[in-house]
Amino acid sequence: NAGVTQTPKFQVLKTGQSMTLQCAQDMNHNSMYWYRQDPGMGLRLIYYSASEGTTDKGEVPNGYNVSRLNKREFSLRLESAAPSQTSVYFCASSPGRIATYEQYFGPGTRLTVT
Amino acid sequence: GENVEQHPSTLSVQEGDSAVIKCTYSDSASNYFPWYKQELGKRPQLIIDIRSNVGEKKDQRIAVTLNKTAKHFSLHITETQPEDSAVYFCAARPNTGKLIFGQGTTLQVKP
Repeated sequence: NAGVTQTPKFQVLKTGQSMTLQCAQDMNHNSMYWYRQDPGMGLRLIYYSASEGTTDKGEVPNGYNVSRLNKREFSLRLESAAPSQTSVYFCASSPGRIATYEQYFGPGTRLTVT
Repeated sequence: GENVEQHPSTLSVQEGDSAVIKCTYSDSASNYFPWYKQELGKRPQLIIDIRSNVGEKKDQRIAVTLNKTAKHFSLHITETQPEDSAVYFCAARPNTGKLIFGQGTTLQVKP
């Protein structure tokens, strides 16, 4: 099993450009999450999907949209990138519909917005 | 909403010493408390977790304690080794169902 995979690994955007970060898991997990990691801020939840067909906002959803395409895939879209969105983005998945199970993280996407 | 404070932000110990990282949370309804380890350039990985009906849990050199009255929980690493050097994150799960992470502790184990 590949676990949780993310593409791309690195990306540089100019302010105002858009892009989609892709995430897929092959563990048949119900829940999927998008986090951003900034120095000294820990991991902050952007959006999550408790099950296929549902999505909900996390702590820092502004400037982002998500799509739970099917049970395996959960994408994160930046419609108009801003320098404040420079960060490392992690996708994660967990088996349960609630966050009392281990979350498995992807390798991360390092995004720089200039 | 839930708020998780983690201390210290950095910790340096000699190999073989113990390390303790403490987290406090604000929502008394929180019922699940995992700890994640993130090595440099890698993804976070779960190392131990505890639920609110348990006061302590051990796994070899790692232990977590939970004090629900005081709303704090701690990670204890004994006989530290250089490979324990990493960033450690605590988290708490309130009734909203979302994990709230602490700010992280960078642990350095000096050989």
